[in-house]
Amino acid sequence: GAVVSQHPSWVICKSGTSVKIECRSLDFQATTMFWYRQFPKQSLMLMATSNEGSKATYEQGVEKDKFLINHASLTLSTLTVTSAHPEDSSFYICSAMSREQYFGPGTRLTVT
Amino acid sequence: AQSVTQLGSHVSVSEGALVLLRCNYSSSVPPYLFWYVQYPNQGLQLLLKYTTGATLVKGINGFEAEFKKSETSFHLTKPSAHMSDAAEYFCAVTQGANFGNEKLTFGTGTRLTIIP
Repeated sequence: GAVVSQHPSWVICKSGTSVKIECRSLDFQATTMFWYRQFPKQSLMLMATSNEGSKATYEQGVEKDKFLINHASLTLSTLTVTSAHPEDSSFYICSAMSREQYFGPGTRLTVT
Repeated sequence: AQSVTQLGSHVSVSEGALVLLRCNYSSSVPPYLFWYVQYPNQGLQLLLKYTTGATLVKGINGFEAEFKKSETSFHLTKPSAHMSDAAEYFCAVTQGANFGNEKLTFGTGTRLTIIP
């Protein structure tokens, strides 16, 4: 139980385009999901907290207009990277709360 | 504010030897502490956690950790390393007590290499 999926697992996009990453809790409902960013050989940095039915709460320094988060249902949160640039290339990991945080497998984004 | 320091970004041990990964934390309130493991290109898997109660906690895959308040430490150990233990390990802290909205603060990680 407590499985979290992410789609896609990896994506390559051109600079200036937008890309959407989905995070789903497969066998439980999650009112809260988190989005993290991980640079190579570095730790996870919390980007935002996604709450179902309300606006996401962004961490200091994270551009909310660039990283759009939508938590439309109790099992789905999406992260859209708008007007992507090469510096947005990273490993994005989501987690969903159900007594503890369950992490998805991550999405590797490469912007060319 | 809370923070986590993991001493040693890279640890190598021989197969069958003791594994010791160090974690020190800083928290203004009683912390909840976690150890996660990450295999290449995968998400994080919870190894164990300390919330309250017994300070020695046992986790999956033979790992355990001891919460020492006086030393503000939560070191991870395993008596005998196995090749499959090779991975990245993250220590994390949250102030907890806010069920449903726990912000985790992660350490910088320790890459564990097992020598055959």
